[in-house]
Amino acid sequence: GQQVMQIPQYQHVQEGEDFTTYCNSSTTLSNIQWYKQRPGGHPVFLIQLVKSGEVKKQKRLTFQFGEAKKNSSLHITATQTTDVGTYFCAGSSGSARQLTFGSGTQLTVLP
Amino acid sequence: EAGVTQSPTHLIKTRGQQATLRCSPISGHTSVYWYQQALGLGLQFLLWYDEGEERNRGNFPPRFSGRQFPNYSSELNVNALELEDSALYLCASSLLSDEQFFGPGTRLTVL
Repeated sequence: GQQVMQIPQYQHVQEGEDFTTYCNSSTTLSNIQWYKQRPGGHPVFLIQLVKSGEVKKQKRLTFQFGEAKKNSSLHITATQTTDVGTYFCAGSSGSARQLTFGSGTQLTVLP
Repeated sequence: EAGVTQSPTHLIKTRGQQATLRCSPISGHTSVYWYQQALGLGLQFLLWYDEGEERNRGNFPPRFSGRQFPNYSSELNVNALELEDSALYLCASSLLSDEQFFGPGTRLTVL
């Protein structure tokens, strides 16, 4: 079945440093979504990418979808303490509406 | 607009007992997904219901089951509870966009 791998598992950064998490799928994806889960909270949808090579920005967050639609990345510029949490990618294939979640990257931002 | 709701918030059971968890999706959403999130780990897909039918299930034993009611709310049942079933159980709902909206979860503790 489809597998989605995400690295790194943990990342500690100083406030103001940049952060990137990477997501790789074993199969071609029809779309990829990113979610953020704050400590003690539930996952919250951030964005969806659909097109090959697509790049989307949300303030300090930049999301990319690879040309082959098998990988994606989330980059945060100048991290803030409010960025703390676990970031998950999640992909679906074909016409399936079911998502396969990556294992997540837990981000810690040190003040 | 009310979000996804789950009940109970916390549930404590002993080994061998049965647990029932409930989820109410966002109004108008026909799909409900169940995930298991063990402490510090990622989201493991359990079950997907859409329009009252089970569409897919993850790699979990048959003692994990559920159903979706005509009003699209859903129930997850876990029979013969084991210690390793202790986890946060998250429910999510979606419509056609594939974006999933998560509830706050039910924390199940098996003693």
